[in-house]
Amino acid sequence: DVVMTQTPVSLSLAIGQPASISCKSSQSLLGTSGKTFLNWILQRPGQSPKRLIYQVSKLYSEVPDRFSGSGSETEFTLKISRVEAEDLGVYYCWQGTHFPHAFGSGTKLEIK
Amino acid sequence: EVQLVETGGSLVQPGKSLKLTCATSGFTFSNAWMHWVRQSPEKQLEWVAQIKAKSNNYATYYAESVKGRFTISRDDSKSSVYLQMNSLKEEDTAIYYCTLLYGGYWGQGVMVTVSS
Repeated sequence: DVVMTQTPVSLSLAIGQPASISCKSSQSLLGTSGKTFLNWILQRPGQSPKRLIYQVSKLYSEVPDRFSGSGSETEFTLKISRVEAEDLGVYYCWQGTHFPHAFGSGTKLEIK
Repeated sequence: EVQLVETGGSLVQPGKSLKLTCATSGFTFSNAWMHWVRQSPEKQLEWVAQIKAKSNNYATYYAESVKGRFTISRDDSKSSVYLQMNSLKEEDTAIYYCTLLYGGYWGQGVMVTVSS
């Protein structure tokens, strides 16, 4: 099974600072379709997860463009250009290329 | 607006059964591939099961941890998906989310506690 490893475990940043979260998979997430099904979600305190990014770098329509995703094969990064108060919560990467689908253990973003 | 509403969560004893229901609206359910994902008390997310559409013969897939005990099913006439959970174990304790995973939509979740 694919194992997803996220770092760091937590981040404490001031408003306006950039953020970077790493996600590494134990196997390549490049599928036979030529697509890479690496996704990012955000779970705010007390809420269910919300979608952010799909297929490595594609933002859902409602997601602010201060978010960006990059990477390939087994190494991926989520970046926030300037953190805002509403960005606090736990960020998870997850892979949909292989069964069983798998989630990272999460990165908690706190606002200083 | 896409909506996913789970019901059926409860406190149940080990070895017992429980059935979760997810009522959906706001999208063409009959074409959708639906999933259940659970979140442990330690906040780890775990994919549980998937059911594809009629055009894919309602194919199902399961995590090894629940295979043989859980059954995912759907009723396209009711735009609903179900999770029948049998032989429950304490390690099945979690919040269970119904998700349109590939479209990025999640329900609010329902708590299942397995304890004697």
